[in-house]
Amino acid sequence: DAKTTQPNSMESNEEEPVHLPCNHSTISGTDYIHWYRQLPSQGPEYVIHGLTSNVNNRMASLAIAEDRKSSTLILHRATLRDAAVYYCILLGAGNQFYFGTGTSLTVIP
Amino acid sequence: GAGVSQSPSNKVTEKGKDVELRCDPISGHTALYWYRQSLGQGLEFLIYFQGNSAPDKSGLPSDRFSAERTGGSVSTLTIQRTQQEDSAVYLCASSQPPWRDSYEQYFGPGTRLTVT
Repeated sequence: DAKTTQPNSMESNEEEPVHLPCNHSTISGTDYIHWYRQLPSQGPEYVIHGLTSNVNNRMASLAIAEDRKSSTLILHRATLRDAAVYYCILLGAGNQFYFGTGTSLTVIP
Repeated sequence: GAGVSQSPSNKVTEKGKDVELRCDPISGHTALYWYRQSLGQGLEFLIYFQGNSAPDKSGLPSDRFSAERTGGSVSTLTIQRTQQEDSAVYLCASSQPPWRDSYEQYFGPGTRLTVT
């Protein structure tokens, strides 16, 4: 299983942008980069995914490095409801998701 | 529409007993996953079903763990002779056929298992 590395925790002020980094130096050419988040006492929910190009959706943006060895999830204006654990995951040929321990995001009012 | 449901929501059992956890996926979703999440930890992949294919059991931690999926829909995760280290939240997720470029898993609320 391909590995990802994320900081254990991050803090952000409310209504400011948040950049959540993820390193995946062993990524293969066909691995997709997925992000999920888990709010307290809930199951994870999908945020965004991409392969090579940057991606935007209503929840967030995903910036993928040119060599694909790292990516950054961008929340444009953090709200208190964005406080969660954010998981960066590589999806390979086996279709298993390996979640790791993620980054715990604290949003400060 | 209805999301992924799991039952029971909470289960307390004595060490050595067997338990069964149930997952009802979203109708039409052919892929079904089981995960385990211990307190303060990330999700640990357990098993993956896709349609009528043989399941991927590579994540099951021991032969005390088994799972089946009947009729391509409901799934049951069985833990035999439970141990205290089995205490965790067991999460089920389902998805459309796994085309990797348009993949999204939908998670249920989980079953909290406590082994005393």
